Amino acid sequence: EPEVTQTPSHQVTQMGQEVILRCVPISNHLYFYWYRQILGQKVEFLVSFYNNEISEKSEIFDDQFSVERPDGSNFTLKIRSTKLEDSAMYFCATPLTPNNEQFFGPGTRLTVL
Amino acid sequence: GENVEQHPSTLSVQEGDSAVIKCTYSDSASNYFPWYKQELGKRPQLIIDIRSNVGEKKDQRIAVTLNKTAKHFSLHITETQPEDSAVYFCAAKVTGNQFYFGTGTSLTVIP
Repeated sequence: EPEVTQTPSHQVTQMGQEVILRCVPISNHLYFYWYRQILGQKVEFLVSFYNNEISEKSEIFDDQFSVERPDGSNFTLKIRSTKLEDSAMYFCATPLTPNNEQFFGPGTRLTVL
Repeated sequence: GENVEQHPSTLSVQEGDSAVIKCTYSDSASNYFPWYKQELGKRPQLIIDIRSNVGEKKDQRIAVTLNKTAKHFSLHITETQPEDSAVYFCAAKVTGNQFYFGTGTSLTVIP
């Protein structure tokens, strides 16, 4: 069964540094999502991406966040200047269409010191 | 925007008993309602979903019901087993691509 993969599995960074989280979605899926889950809390929508552009974003997704599809397979989330409160698990997910199952990647645990 | 509330936050049941988790949503335009199971330290995985044109859906021991008028939907797990222990999240999607998740229910099945 095809899987979504994410790298790295764990990233530790200093406050103010830039981080790039990577996702390789399922190959024939065209919609990409990023979610955040602070430890012990709910999953929060960050952004959805379709046809090489952002289709929707939440209020969490402010100017310090950006998403790109730098090549045909990778999908990245960049946090420009990390803050302590950015520490969380970041999941990417891809459905075949928005009204179908979202296949979540294994997540990247981001720790900002 | 949409607001999804989920109850209870924790639930303990004896093995073999049923478990019910309820969610309410605020936006009547919400049209897709998935339920996810998340084991500790792992990714959320879809266990069942329902669309707004359906009132009930079953898959073996798991069922979901949707009441569009009251704007609530529920997850029912029958004959619970210890491996059902996990955190369960409901979610709702309005028109567009944004999903709103509930706050999660930590289910413990006591052998």
